Amino acid sequence: GEDVEQSLFLSVREGDSSVINCTYTDSSSTYLYWYKQEPGAGLQLLTYIFSNMDMKQDQRLTVLLNKKDKHLSLRIADTQTGDSAIYFCAEKSNTGKLIFGQGTTLQVKP
Amino acid sequence: GAVVSQHPSWVICKSGTSVKIECRSLDFQATTMFWYRQFPKQSLMLMATSNEGSKATYEQGVEKDKFLINHASLTLSTLTVTSAHPEDSSFYICSARSNEQFFGPGTRLTVL
Repeated sequence: GEDVEQSLFLSVREGDSSVINCTYTDSSSTYLYWYKQEPGAGLQLLTYIFSNMDMKQDQRLTVLLNKKDKHLSLRIADTQTGDSAIYFCAEKSNTGKLIFGQGTTLQVKP
Repeated sequence: GAVVSQHPSWVICKSGTSVKIECRSLDFQATTMFWYRQFPKQSLMLMATSNEGSKATYEQGVEKDKFLINHASLTLSTLTVTSAHPEDSSFYICSARSNEQFFGPGTRLTVL
């Protein structure tokens, strides 16, 4: 079945890079997404990558996709305190539904 | 960018009452809207997929008579939690799809 796994917690110092990892099981996924959720709020789409791409960079965000290992990562360069949030990885299944991971809480220490 | 709103943002109700939550796509038309439920410190669980003008498709284990979904127009879907009980307390998030899914800010429901 479809499953998405993430580590639950990551703590970094302000200015360092953050790397959030995700694994998924559905090899037919067409798109993979990263969403950010701040406390008490909905989800904000950060970036996405098409399954035939290996890497996508958007300002401070870099997404790496290893399709063979079904591994997705999100790197945030120069992490700021405003980046503290929960980050969700999601895959779009062949039915069009989004399957979410459990979310990784990123804590940025000043 | 595409904006999705939800109303109310939070609601407290007594057990046994019904609560309606609205989801609107403000600057685009959405033929499909989704309703999710999120428990504290957990991921989003898809409850149902709502298509304009037709019946919603519910995920396994979600009671369609308890969670009534209406998608009357291309910009509005509503979720009604009928005869709410404390175990229905949760964070309900909707999303609307044009080419991608855009999420609303969520509604915090507390049932006393």
